[in-house]
Amino acid sequence: GESVGLHLPTLSVQEGDNSIINCAYSNSASDYFIWYKQESGKGPQFIIDIRSNMDKRQGQRVTVLLNKTVKHLSLQIAATQPGDSAVYFCAESFGNEKLTFGTGTRLTIIP
Amino acid sequence: DAGVIQSPRHEVTEMGQEVTLRCKPISGHDYLFWYRQTMMRGLELLIYFNNNVPIDDSGMPEDRFSAKMPNASFSTLKIQPSEPRDSAVYFCASSRKFSGNTIYFGEGSWLTVV
Repeated sequence: GESVGLHLPTLSVQEGDNSIINCAYSNSASDYFIWYKQESGKGPQFIIDIRSNMDKRQGQRVTVLLNKTVKHLSLQIAATQPGDSAVYFCAESFGNEKLTFGTGTRLTIIP
Repeated sequence: DAGVIQSPRHEVTEMGQEVTLRCKPISGHDYLFWYRQTMMRGLELLIYFNNNVPIDDSGMPEDRFSAKMPNASFSTLKIQPSEPRDSAVYFCASSRKFSGNTIYFGEGSWLTVV
């Protein structure tokens, strides 16, 4: 029979190109956001975070953009490499509330 | 620095058996979380501890699940009796603060109940 599960959005990008992964968060009061990367067979790994008093933050090859007006978070990965292939999760929290994770986006880097 | 350490990494057990998953959080982290990840439901928070005290166990599926944290460097998640629907990846994670702070995950315990 057909298996039913979460339908992960997928994104395929040519190696060397830039990728943008998007996330719509649910709570307009959320004040802290994190991006995690999960490779096959491993636990989620912290990539970058941003607080609501910022709209952009840069790391090594990664940039997170926050648009509070439309409750949108994005992760930009520059010059993608095969090792960037993974599932990427955004997570949000507000005050003392627990982190809420999104369902994830599967990124595949095409050699 | 050592990250969050979980054991076993993989376990296959028969339905009805007791399963114990173990976790060592990052030293100095006051919060410890147990998550479950499945294809059907994604990443779910089961329970979390602050300074070894369980704070919120509303995510624990049923009485078959229990978690303890006897000291700051050790926690267990127990399933008794186990059922096939418990098959999942169980992640332990820790952080310095509850929110507004990064949660660091272990590599997970991959449980299969047959």
